[in-house]
Amino acid sequence: QVQLVESGGGVVQPGGALRLSCAASGFNFNRNNMHWVRQVPGKGLEWLAIIGWDATTKHYGESVKGRFIISRDNSKNTLDLYMNTLRTEDTAVYYCVKDLDWGFEYWGQGTQVTVSS
Amino acid sequence: QSALTQPPSASGSPGQSVTISCTGTSSDVGGYNHVSWYQQHPGKAPKFMIYEVNKRPSGVPDRFSGSKSGNTASLTVSGLQAEDEADYYCSSFGGRDNWVFGGGTKLTVL
Repeated sequence: QVQLVESGGGVVQPGGALRLSCAASGFNFNRNNMHWVRQVPGKGLEWLAIIGWDATTKHYGESVKGRFIISRDNSKNTLDLYMNTLRTEDTAVYYCVKDLDWGFEYWGQGTQVTVSS
Repeated sequence: QSALTQPPSASGSPGQSVTISCTGTSSDVGGYNHVSWYQQHPGKAPKFMIYEVNKRPSGVPDRFSGSKSGNTASLTVSGLQAEDEADYYCSSFGGRDNWVFGGGTKLTVL
C-alpha cells in the first residue's frame, strides 16, 4: 500500500532554516508528480509546491516562492522541502502528497513545524 | 482569505442528503475540470474523495458525488451517516501552475 512518511519537523527561530523529508513506498515514485501542502492547526489547507516526476518541473505558491525549494531523489524514493528565511506564519503541519490528475491522492501523516523565538 | 469560497458549516440528519458548495472564478473552478474534494477527520490527514469534478477514487462510497456549474463546484453526500461528520475541503487547479483550496466546511450529522 502507498505510504508517505514525513520527517524533519521541529522548532526553529524566525529567519532560520529547516529541511523536511518524505519517504515514499508502495507505488512507482519515479512516475508521479509530488506536492507539499501545509495546514495551520484548526485552519485550512495551503498548497506550497509541486515537482514533476523527473524533477525538471517545479512550481511554488506565492507565499513560499523564493524561500522554499522542492527536490526529489528518485533513486531513494524521497521528496524534500528546503525551507529558508522562516517566518512565524510558516508554523503549520506539512504534508507530503502524491498527485493524481491534478488532485492530491495520498497524504502522509504530516510533520509539525513551529517557528518561534 | 482562501481562494475558493465554501460555507463554514453544513448539517443534515442521518439518511438525508447535504450539498457543500465551492465557489471560485473563471481562472480556477470555472476554467478547468481539475476540481477535487477532501474529507478530514480531527487529527487526521485529509482523504481524497472526489477528483476531476466527479470521479471517485477506489474505495470511496458512491454516496459521495461531485458536480460543477460555471464557477461553482459542489459535493453531495447522500444517505448521511455518522462517520461522514468531518471537515470537507475543495481544491482546484488555478492555472499558472498553482493550486488553490477552499476554507473548509464543517459537516455535522445531527
